[in-house]
Amino acid sequence: AQSVAQPEDQVNVAEGNPLTVKCTYSVSGNPYLFWYVQYPNRGLQFLLKYITGDNLVKGSYGFEAEFNKSQTSFHLKKPSALVSDSALYFCAVKWTASKLTFGTGTRLQVTL
Amino acid sequence: EAGVAQSPRYKIIEKRQSVAFWCNPISGHATLYWYQQILGQGPKLLIQFQNNGVVDDSQLPKDRFSAERLKGVDSTLKIQPAKLEDSAVYLCASSLGRTLEEAFFGQGTRLTVV
Repeated sequence: AQSVAQPEDQVNVAEGNPLTVKCTYSVSGNPYLFWYVQYPNRGLQFLLKYITGDNLVKGSYGFEAEFNKSQTSFHLKKPSALVSDSALYFCAVKWTASKLTFGTGTRLQVTL
Repeated sequence: EAGVAQSPRYKIIEKRQSVAFWCNPISGHATLYWYQQILGQGPKLLIQFQNNGVVDDSQLPKDRFSAERLKGVDSTLKIQPAKLEDSAVYLCASSLGRTLEEAFFGQGTRLTVV
C-alpha cells in the first residue's frame, strides 16, 4: 500500500538550532511528496513539494526537504529554528489519480 | 486570491442527528477533497471530486456519509445519522486538478457529537 510514515510524534529543539522532522514513504513508482504545516485552529498550509529534479527542495518560511530515493525518505529541515515554527507538521504522498495521503503528523516544539 | 471557504466553523450536535458542511473551493480548481481529521491523527481522505465526478470515495462510510459537488464548484458533506466517533475536524481542500499540484486547505469545520 502507498503510505508515508512519520516515526516521531514530537520533536523538541531549542531556538536557533537546526531542526529535522523525519518522513519515510512507501510508493511504487515515482512519488510526489509534500510537507504541510498546521497551526492551532488553522487549516493545513502547504510548505513544499518534491516532484522531480534536485533532491533538495526549498519551501516557505526557510524550510527545505531532502529527497533520498535509496532511503525512501523526505526529511524536513531548517537551519535555524524559531519559536514561531512550533506547530504540527504533516508529510504527504501523492500518486495516481491525485490521491493525497497524509502521515500521522509530528509536533514540533521550539523553546527559547 | 481567495482561499478555500468552509462553513460552519464549529458545530455541536447530538448523536443520531444529521449535519451538513459546506465548502467553496478556490476559483478554477477542478479537484476538491474532503478529509476527516480526528484529534491526534493525520487527515484521512473521505472523498475526492474531479469537477462534479467522484474520483475516490473508498474511505467514505456510505451508510451515513454523503457528499455532492453540483456544477463542479461548491460541495456539501452530510452525515446522517451522526455517531460519537464522527467527532473530528472536517477539512475541505482544492487543487487545480493536475497530479503534481499541491492542495489548498480551508480552516475546517470542527464537529462535536455528544
